[in-house]
Amino acid sequence: EIAMTQSPATLSVSPGERATLSCRASQSVSSKLAWYQQKPGQAPRLLIYGASTRATGTPARFSGSGSGTEFTLTISSLQSEDFAVYYCQQYNNWPPLTFGGGTKVEIK
Amino acid sequence: EVQLVESGGGLVQPGGSLRLSCAASGFTFSDYWMHWVRQAPGKGLVWVSRISNDGSNPKYADSVKGRFTISRDNAKNTMDLQMNSLRVEDTALYYCVRESPDRGTYYFDYWGQGTLVTVSS
Repeated sequence: EIAMTQSPATLSVSPGERATLSCRASQSVSSKLAWYQQKPGQAPRLLIYGASTRATGTPARFSGSGSGTEFTLTISSLQSEDFAVYYCQQYNNWPPLTFGGGTKVEIK
Repeated sequence: EVQLVESGGGLVQPGGSLRLSCAASGFTFSDYWMHWVRQAPGKGLVWVSRISNDGSNPKYADSVKGRFTISRDNAKNTMDLQMNSLRVEDTALYYCVRESPDRGTYYFDYWGQGTLVTVSS
Protein backbone atom coordinates (compact mmCIF):
# COMPACT_ATOMS: atom_id res chain seq x y z
CA GLU A 1 0.00 0.00 0.00
CA ILE A 2 1.29 3.43 -0.93
CA ALA A 3 1.19 5.90 1.95
CA MET A 4 0.55 9.56 1.14
CA THR A 5 1.85 12.20 3.55
CA GLN A 6 0.72 15.81 3.35
CA SER A 7 2.42 18.77 4.96
CA PRO A 8 1.84 20.95 6.75
CA ALA A 9 -1.28 19.77 8.52
CA THR A 10 -2.44 23.37 8.82
CA LEU A 11 -1.33 26.36 6.80
CA SER A 12 -2.21 29.88 7.95
CA VAL A 13 -2.23 32.33 5.07
CA SER A 14 -3.50 35.86 4.54
CA PRO A 15 -5.87 36.56 1.63
CA GLY A 16 -3.89 37.47 -1.47
CA GLU A 17 -0.83 35.54 -0.37
CA ARG A 18 0.63 32.44 -1.99
CA ALA A 19 0.04 29.01 -0.46
CA THR A 20 2.21 25.98 -1.10
CA LEU A 21 0.98 22.53 -0.06
CA SER A 22 3.09 19.39 -0.21
CA CYS A 23 2.25 15.74 -0.77
CA ARG A 24 4.75 12.91 -0.57
CA ALA A 25 4.25 9.30 -1.67
CA SER A 26 6.00 6.37 0.03
CA GLN A 27 6.99 5.10 -3.43
CA SER A 28 6.77 6.47 -6.93
CA VAL A 29 3.29 7.12 -8.27
CA SER A 30 4.58 8.60 -11.55
CA SER A 31 2.23 11.50 -12.33
CA LYS A 32 -0.90 9.69 -11.17
CA LEU A 33 -1.77 12.17 -8.48
CA ALA A 34 -4.96 14.13 -7.92
CA TRP A 35 -5.81 17.02 -5.61
CA TYR A 36 -9.21 17.68 -4.08
CA GLN A 37 -10.67 20.61 -2.17
CA GLN A 38 -13.18 20.09 0.62
CA LYS A 39 -15.08 22.90 2.30
CA PRO A 40 -16.92 22.40 5.61
CA GLY A 41 -20.12 20.41 5.18
CA GLN A 42 -19.43 19.75 1.50
CA ALA A 43 -18.20 16.83 -0.54
CA PRO A 44 -14.68 16.96 -1.95
CA ARG A 45 -14.22 18.57 -5.36
CA LEU A 46 -11.62 17.56 -7.93
CA LEU A 47 -9.07 20.32 -8.57
CA ILE A 48 -6.10 18.72 -10.30
CA TYR A 49 -5.37 15.34 -11.90
CA GLY A 50 -2.31 13.92 -13.59
CA ALA A 51 -0.32 15.94 -11.04
CA SER A 52 -0.69 19.17 -13.03
CA THR A 53 -3.84 19.21 -15.17
CA ARG A 54 -6.58 21.49 -13.87
CA ALA A 55 -10.03 19.93 -13.80
CA THR A 56 -12.90 21.70 -15.52
CA GLY A 57 -13.79 24.79 -13.54
CA THR A 58 -10.59 24.94 -11.51
CA PRO A 59 -9.34 28.54 -11.44
CA ALA A 60 -5.94 29.25 -12.97
CA ARG A 61 -4.57 30.37 -9.58
CA PHE A 62 -4.38 26.67 -8.67
CA SER A 63 -1.40 24.81 -10.08
CA GLY A 64 0.02 21.38 -9.46
CA SER A 65 3.53 20.10 -10.00
CA GLY A 66 5.77 17.17 -9.28
CA SER A 67 6.21 13.55 -10.22
CA GLY A 68 7.47 10.37 -8.64
CA THR A 69 7.17 10.88 -4.90
CA GLU A 70 7.07 14.67 -4.40
CA PHE A 71 4.14 16.85 -5.37
CA THR A 72 3.06 20.42 -4.76
CA LEU A 73 -0.22 22.29 -4.98
CA THR A 74 0.22 26.03 -5.26
CA ILE A 75 -2.48 28.63 -4.86
CA SER A 76 -0.96 31.78 -6.27
CA SER A 77 -3.16 34.37 -4.55
CA LEU A 78 -5.56 33.07 -1.95
CA GLN A 79 -9.17 34.11 -2.26
CA SER A 80 -11.71 33.87 0.56
CA GLU A 81 -13.33 30.85 -1.10
CA ASP A 82 -10.04 28.93 -1.10
CA PHE A 83 -9.94 28.41 2.65
CA ALA A 84 -10.63 24.70 2.91
CA VAL A 85 -9.00 21.31 3.39
CA TYR A 86 -6.97 19.91 0.51
CA TYR A 87 -6.30 16.23 -0.09
CA CYS A 88 -3.96 14.48 -2.48
CA GLN A 89 -4.71 11.00 -3.84
CA GLN A 90 -2.53 8.54 -5.72
CA TYR A 91 -3.97 6.28 -8.38
CA ASN A 92 -0.87 4.58 -9.71
CA ASN A 93 -0.80 1.45 -7.53
CA TRP A 94 -4.02 -0.01 -6.24
CA PRO A 95 -5.96 -1.41 -4.56
CA PRO A 96 -6.10 0.46 -2.39
CA LEU A 97 -6.38 3.95 -3.77
CA THR A 98 -4.90 6.15 -1.05
CA PHE A 99 -5.33 9.70 0.11
CA GLY A 100 -3.12 11.97 2.14
CA GLY A 101 -4.27 13.13 5.54
CA GLY A 102 -5.14 16.59 4.28
CA THR A 103 -3.88 20.14 4.68
CA LYS A 104 -6.19 22.71 6.18
CA VAL A 105 -5.68 26.18 4.73
CA GLU A 106 -6.93 28.73 7.23
CA ILE A 107 -7.10 32.49 7.39
CA LYS A 108 -4.13 34.08 9.10
CA GLU B 1 -25.91 17.88 -14.79
CA VAL B 2 -24.22 14.94 -13.09
CA GLN B 3 -25.93 14.00 -9.83
CA LEU B 4 -25.08 11.30 -7.34
CA VAL B 5 -27.51 10.89 -4.46
CA GLU B 6 -26.77 8.49 -1.63
CA SER B 7 -29.32 7.01 0.74
CA GLY B 8 -29.64 4.26 3.30
CA GLY B 9 -27.44 5.53 6.09
CA GLY B 10 -28.47 5.45 9.71
CA LEU B 11 -27.75 4.18 13.19
CA VAL B 12 -26.96 0.48 13.55
CA GLN B 13 -25.59 -1.66 16.35
CA PRO B 14 -22.20 -3.36 16.08
CA GLY B 15 -22.56 -6.59 14.16
CA GLY B 16 -25.54 -5.26 12.26
CA SER B 17 -26.13 -4.67 8.57
CA LEU B 18 -27.00 -1.74 6.38
CA ARG B 19 -27.46 -1.29 2.63
CA LEU B 20 -26.44 1.98 1.04
CA SER B 21 -27.67 3.08 -2.37
CA CYS B 22 -26.50 5.65 -4.86
CA ALA B 23 -28.81 7.00 -7.55
CA ALA B 24 -26.99 8.45 -10.54
CA SER B 25 -28.30 10.83 -13.17
CA GLY B 26 -27.06 13.25 -15.79
CA PHE B 27 -24.64 10.85 -17.47
CA THR B 28 -24.52 7.41 -19.07
CA PHE B 29 -24.13 5.41 -15.90
CA SER B 30 -23.21 2.16 -17.65
CA ASP B 31 -20.09 3.78 -19.12
CA TYR B 32 -18.47 4.56 -15.78
CA TRP B 33 -16.68 2.71 -13.04
CA MET B 34 -17.97 3.76 -9.64
CA HIS B 35 -16.55 3.81 -6.13
CA TRP B 36 -17.44 4.29 -2.48
CA VAL B 37 -15.21 6.51 -0.37
CA ARG B 38 -15.78 7.15 3.33
CA GLN B 39 -14.85 9.83 5.81
CA ALA B 40 -15.03 9.31 9.55
CA PRO B 41 -16.16 12.38 11.52
CA GLY B 42 -13.37 14.97 11.52
CA LYS B 43 -11.02 12.64 9.64
CA GLY B 44 -9.67 12.18 6.14
CA LEU B 45 -10.85 10.32 3.06
CA VAL B 46 -10.58 6.55 2.78
CA TRP B 47 -11.30 4.50 -0.34
CA VAL B 48 -13.69 1.62 0.31
CA SER B 49 -14.67 -0.18 -2.88
CA ARG B 50 -14.91 -0.04 -6.67
CA ILE B 51 -17.09 -1.65 -9.29
CA SER B 52 -16.44 -1.69 -13.01
CA ASN B 53 -18.98 -0.38 -15.49
CA ASP B 54 -20.42 -3.83 -16.19
CA GLY B 55 -20.45 -4.88 -12.54
CA SER B 56 -17.51 -7.22 -12.80
CA ASN B 57 -14.30 -7.45 -10.83
CA PRO B 58 -15.22 -5.58 -7.64
CA LYS B 59 -12.37 -4.37 -5.47
CA TYR B 60 -12.34 -3.69 -1.73
CA ALA B 61 -10.17 -2.13 0.92
CA ASP B 62 -8.72 -4.76 3.24
CA SER B 63 -10.64 -3.23 6.14
CA VAL B 64 -14.01 -4.13 4.58
CA LYS B 65 -13.16 -7.21 2.53
CA GLY B 66 -15.46 -10.09 3.33
CA ARG B 67 -17.97 -7.82 5.07
CA PHE B 68 -19.01 -5.35 2.35
CA THR B 69 -20.38 -6.13 -1.12
CA ILE B 70 -20.62 -3.61 -3.92
CA SER B 71 -23.11 -4.03 -6.74
CA ARG B 72 -24.86 -2.02 -9.44
CA ASP B 73 -27.95 -2.06 -11.63
CA ASN B 74 -27.27 -0.27 -14.88
CA ALA B 75 -30.94 -0.49 -15.89
CA LYS B 76 -31.87 1.53 -12.81
CA ASN B 77 -28.72 3.70 -12.72
CA THR B 78 -28.00 2.67 -9.16
CA MET B 79 -25.08 1.35 -7.15
CA ASP B 80 -25.34 -0.33 -3.77
CA LEU B 81 -23.07 -1.17 -0.89
CA GLN B 82 -24.22 -4.01 1.33
CA MET B 83 -22.48 -3.67 4.67
CA ASN B 84 -22.53 -6.62 7.08
CA SER B 85 -20.84 -7.29 10.42
CA LEU B 86 -20.54 -3.58 10.99
CA ARG B 87 -17.98 -2.28 13.46
CA VAL B 88 -17.73 0.95 15.40
CA GLU B 89 -14.82 1.92 13.16
CA ASP B 90 -17.10 1.80 10.10
CA THR B 91 -18.82 4.94 11.37
CA ALA B 92 -18.40 7.51 8.60
CA LEU B 93 -19.98 9.57 5.89
CA TYR B 94 -20.08 7.34 2.81
CA TYR B 95 -19.67 9.04 -0.54
CA CYS B 96 -20.74 7.65 -3.90
CA VAL B 97 -18.07 8.69 -6.36
CA ARG B 98 -17.70 8.57 -10.12
CA GLU B 99 -14.35 7.61 -11.58
CA SER B 100 -12.87 9.73 -14.33
CA PRO B 101 -13.96 8.91 -17.89
CA ASP B 102 -10.36 8.16 -18.89
CA ARG B 103 -10.11 4.42 -18.47
CA GLY B 104 -7.25 3.45 -16.21
CA THR B 105 -7.10 6.77 -14.40
CA TYR B 106 -8.64 6.15 -11.03
CA TYR B 107 -9.35 9.61 -9.78
CA PHE B 108 -12.79 10.95 -8.96
CA ASP B 109 -14.50 13.65 -10.95
CA TYR B 110 -17.92 13.72 -9.24
CA TRP B 111 -18.96 13.10 -5.64
CA GLY B 112 -22.33 12.74 -4.00
CA GLN B 113 -23.14 14.56 -0.77
CA GLY B 114 -22.76 11.41 1.30
CA THR B 115 -24.89 9.33 3.64
CA LEU B 116 -23.97 8.98 7.31
CA VAL B 117 -23.51 5.56 8.86
CA THR B 118 -23.23 5.42 12.64
CA VAL B 119 -22.32 2.13 14.30
CA SER B 120 -22.95 2.30 18.02
CA SER B 121 -24.59 0.37 20.80
